[in-house]
Amino acid sequence: AQSVTQLGSHVSVSEGALVLLRCNYSSSVPPYLFWYVQYPNQGLQLLLKYTTGATLVKGINGFEAEFKKSETSFHLTKPSAHMSDAAEYFCAVSPAYFGSGTKLNVKP
Amino acid sequence: EAGVTQSPTHLIKTRGQQATLRCSPISGHTSVYWYQQALGLGLQFLLWYDEGEERNRGNFPPRFSGRQFPNYSSELNVNALELEDSALYLCASSLGATTDFYYEQYFGPGTRLTVT
Repeated sequence: AQSVTQLGSHVSVSEGALVLLRCNYSSSVPPYLFWYVQYPNQGLQLLLKYTTGATLVKGINGFEAEFKKSETSFHLTKPSAHMSDAAEYFCAVSPAYFGSGTKLNVKP
Repeated sequence: EAGVTQSPTHLIKTRGQQATLRCSPISGHTSVYWYQQALGLGLQFLLWYDEGEERNRGNFPPRFSGRQFPNYSSELNVNALELEDSALYLCASSLGATTDFYYEQYFGPGTRLTVT
């Protein structure tokens, strides 16, 4: 059975600081992994995805994630946070299982 | 190109009634997914349709049902509404997913269902 665990429902960073949002997954088959972002009062949009191949995946807005099979992790990072990054982030594993979300707050 | 559309935007029902929510996928997408986003509970997977067939179902009671039409649009029906059904219901579409390969999903803006 597939499932996703996101560690930390709220993460707060200062503008310019590293962003690290944690995601661990459970899957009985090779997983497809996704990160989505939801801005207030909007639907979700895709940040990046891992299917096969290169384990370091680059997405939009400077975000990237690394697939680590041995750790069953797919953590999302961004070197320098921007105020516009404040949103809720969801990790997902195929076919359609989402984590509970992490709200990112960026302090000026 | 038009994105995923959902109707209505808001829906207010009383306990025990039935609600019908509608979703139109992006042109060319054959898979439609339904999710419930209740406050503080993240996205809970409800249903996945592809090519008119139900492919997978989340851990919800049978009073949550749906269907996909020949034009790939979909509707979600919730019978015997309960207060805890109040939530944002999101629809997403993707290219035809299979059990071996999945495409990214494109989400609609959601239908806010309020049960009083």
